[in-house]
Amino acid sequence: GAVVSQHPSWVICKSGTSVKIECRSLDFQATTMFWYRQFPKQSLMLMATSNEGSKATYEQGVEKDKFLINHASLTLSTLTVTSAHPEDSSFYICSAPTGIKPETQYFGPGTRLLVL
Amino acid sequence: GQNIDQPTEMTATEGAIVQINCTYQTSGFNGLFWYQQHAGEAPTFLSYNVLDGLEEKGRFSSFLSRSKGYSYLLLKELQMKDSASYLCAVRSTLDTGRRALTFGSGTRLQVQP
Repeated sequence: GAVVSQHPSWVICKSGTSVKIECRSLDFQATTMFWYRQFPKQSLMLMATSNEGSKATYEQGVEKDKFLINHASLTLSTLTVTSAHPEDSSFYICSAPTGIKPETQYFGPGTRLLVL
Repeated sequence: GQNIDQPTEMTATEGAIVQINCTYQTSGFNGLFWYQQHAGEAPTFLSYNVLDGLEEKGRFSSFLSRSKGYSYLLLKELQMKDSASYLCAVRSTLDTGRRALTFGSGTRLQVQP
């Protein structure tokens, strides 16, 4: 079946540094990928839609200059958290729609970010 | 906008049946999804409903009533491994172009021996 991978699965960094998270679709092409954030005991909140070959679409309240998204190819999207702060500590999950009806989204395994 | 409500927590006994309800309000409905999420892991797809009625998949069934803005996930023959959060998610016609989902807050199910 369709598989989405994320790397790294865990990252601990110092405040002020930047962190890059990769999301790959392994056996299908994804012109669109979604980035979600999940705080403890809360649900997934959509941050942005990553579009291959064009600019990402950000949800209201999400700073595009802080969360840089690049969809370089049909199988790779990256999220860079710039100048990370402790409040950015969260579980970041990407997903990609398969384009197969009924269309489902397959989620990556997630990246847990801890900013000290 | 969209509003999705589901109970925060539920407890059930191994071998029993549990029903997790979800109500939603959306500007243009285009599908309802149920996902299972174990602690610290990404969600995994369980079911999809776009028309009224019941969809059955083994021990899991999902029901949808579009007129009532209501869905439920039914889990039969509960097993300890079913202890997880169950997320109800809705896609609206306004989102069709980008196909993102709006998630409810999730229901944490605890299965007891």
